[in-house]
Amino acid sequence: EAGVTQFPSHSVIEKGQTVTLRCDPISGHDNLYWYRRVMGKEIKFLLHFVKESKQDESGMPNNRFLAERTGGTYSTLKVQPAELEDSGVYFCASSQELNSEQFFGPGTRLTVL
Amino acid sequence: AQSVTQLGSHVSVSEGALVLLRCNYSSSVPPYLFWYVQYPNQGLQLLLKYTTGATLVKGINGFEAEFKKSETSFHLTKPSAHMSDAAEYFCAVLNSGYSTLTFGKGTMLLVSP
Repeated sequence: EAGVTQFPSHSVIEKGQTVTLRCDPISGHDNLYWYRRVMGKEIKFLLHFVKESKQDESGMPNNRFLAERTGGTYSTLKVQPAELEDSGVYFCASSQELNSEQFFGPGTRLTVL
Repeated sequence: AQSVTQLGSHVSVSEGALVLLRCNYSSSVPPYLFWYVQYPNQGLQLLLKYTTGATLVKGINGFEAEFKKSETSFHLTKPSAHMSDAAEYFCAVLNSGYSTLTFGKGTMLLVSP
């Protein structure tokens, strides 16, 4: 069974550009989460989808971040326009049930110059 | 709101020595607690979890953790470190809505021959 996959693994962009991160959860997992780790800080929750609906987006830093999960399968996280402080590792996770184990992807390392 | 404190950003041990990684949490409700490990260039992998029941929890690769409510702790231990244990370890608590995780800052375990 394939795990959670994320694309790209690394992205280097200039300040002001747009970047889109993709996450493919484990097949059949209704719950999909985005987390972010800024260098030197803890991993922080960004938002949670249940199928295609946003269950909780309280962790989204600002309106430059847009997450979608069309059809309840894969999800994208767009940052537009990117700022220096957006640099970090973006993790995606999925779970079958709300309080069951969250399976994490390898992360996308975003560097904004 | 829940929070997690991991004491020590880096812990160094010799191969064969005891591993002790400390985690303290705060939670307004009975917590669900987790330890994740991240090996280089990989995603977060669940080591073990405490939900209810037995307070001593055994996980993969010989690790275990004990939930101590009176001390609000969930320290991770392994009797004998192996070189392959070198990784970053994260303690996390599941939020009261049973959906998202709050992480500690992580502890890098270094194992020397």
